[in-house]
Amino acid sequence: DTAVSQTPKYLVTQMGNDKSIKCEQNLGHDTMYWYKQDSKKFLKIMFSYNNKELIINETVPNRFSPKSPDKAHLNLHINSLELGDSAVYFCASSLTGSSGNTIYFGEGSWLTVV
Amino acid sequence: SQQGEEDPQALSIQEGENATMNCSYKTSINNLQWYRQNSGRGLVHLILIRSNEREKHSGRLRVTLDTSKKSSSLLITASRAADTASYFCATSPTGGGNKLTFGTGTQLKVEL
Repeated sequence: DTAVSQTPKYLVTQMGNDKSIKCEQNLGHDTMYWYKQDSKKFLKIMFSYNNKELIINETVPNRFSPKSPDKAHLNLHINSLELGDSAVYFCASSLTGSSGNTIYFGEGSWLTVV
Repeated sequence: SQQGEEDPQALSIQEGENATMNCSYKTSINNLQWYRQNSGRGLVHLILIRSNEREKHSGRLRVTLDTSKKSSSLLITASRAADTASYFCATSPTGGGNKLTFGTGTQLKVEL
């Protein structure tokens, strides 16, 4: 009955590898997000999708490619991983609204690049 | 500096005391949200306050919003050891859809 679930929770991989993190929400939301939390706990938005359409794309290297097969899923694929990609990646979802709505976050995926 | 800065960065109190955390931001907003993050865990939504609201309560939590000063505060009353966590404010800018900008967080430690 988890609202926003993402897998894997922990991922350790070598530089240069390609990896994916999957995210699914069962809240019936139409907007999904990826956030990155660095080692200093600073959270920053990476991408946002609304009904499978990309609406926010912050300054993120094009090695990061989100894919939304349907509005309940938003996966994050990362090519040619670098040491600096080590972080916690959070998936989130919400309903669209002109005054903004509560955003619900997953438990995070801890990525370590060695 | 960042949109959304919490103050203090760290706060240590005794169980039963009240904890107050402040958040300042720079642009006009639709709403402001507070989240809690336990060590090694995800973000838990605590409360959302809209720009036309001044105060909201949820259990032991009280949030205020002063849009003229571009600031918000989160008060946790009668704190418990289980309240030990990092607390973040996040703002949703006017006309910016639901793009949340997070503050730097306050690390709260509640000691027995």
